Amino acid sequence: DIVMTQSPDSLAVSLGERATINCKSSQSIVYSANNKDSLAWYQQKPGQPPKLLIHWASTRESGVPDRFSGSGSGTDFTFTISSLQAEDVAVYYCQQYYSVPLTFGGGTKVEIK
Amino acid sequence: QVQLQQSGQGLVKPSQTLSLTCAISGDSVSANSAAWNWLRQSPSRGLEWLGRTYYRSKWYNDYAVSVKGRITINADTSKNQFSLQLNSVTPEDTAVYYCASGYGLHYWGQGTLVTVSS
Repeated sequence: DIVMTQSPDSLAVSLGERATINCKSSQSIVYSANNKDSLAWYQQKPGQPPKLLIHWASTRESGVPDRFSGSGSGTDFTFTISSLQAEDVAVYYCQQYYSVPLTFGGGTKVEIK
Repeated sequence: QVQLQQSGQGLVKPSQTLSLTCAISGDSVSANSAAWNWLRQSPSRGLEWLGRTYYRSKWYNDYAVSVKGRITINADTSKNQFSLQLNSVTPEDTAVYYCASGYGLHYWGQGTLVTVSS
């Protein structure tokens, strides 16, 4: 199984400041057919299912604000909220879909400082 | 816009079978590019993928090792839905269960809290 290691477990950021989350996969997750990383980022708020924000490591879903971005390749990935808004308080997860079982990071809780 | 609507029991007795259904609108369960997944989430196990079904000229299933032997995921093309059966449940199977579509999981059901208790 591909292990996804996410850090930090939690972070507190002031409104308008940057939040950065890291995710590391235990092996490369580059999909050979398109040379893209099979990495997704999700936002989950209490009582709701996760919401897909980014796939292929850096492609934002339609309607997702551009303050959310993803970067990285190979085994090391980063998720950034460029200017934290109150509505961004949530838990964020990375997930690989290169191979089954699909696996998730442990989550990062983002709060307002 | 794809929508997934979950239904099924929220309370299951130990050793019995958990059954959930996910009804699809806006897509076809037998679409050649789709994949239909079941996951669960609990404080102890986090987000855990359980398995999936998909159609590529014939039906395929993949299951997580943690539940293999106890899990069945089936598609019902006449109702455009797919289902989860998990046999011989124990209290460790207590979780919020989700259906979701895709590989990067674009669409999710609303979630069903399933409690395993006598």
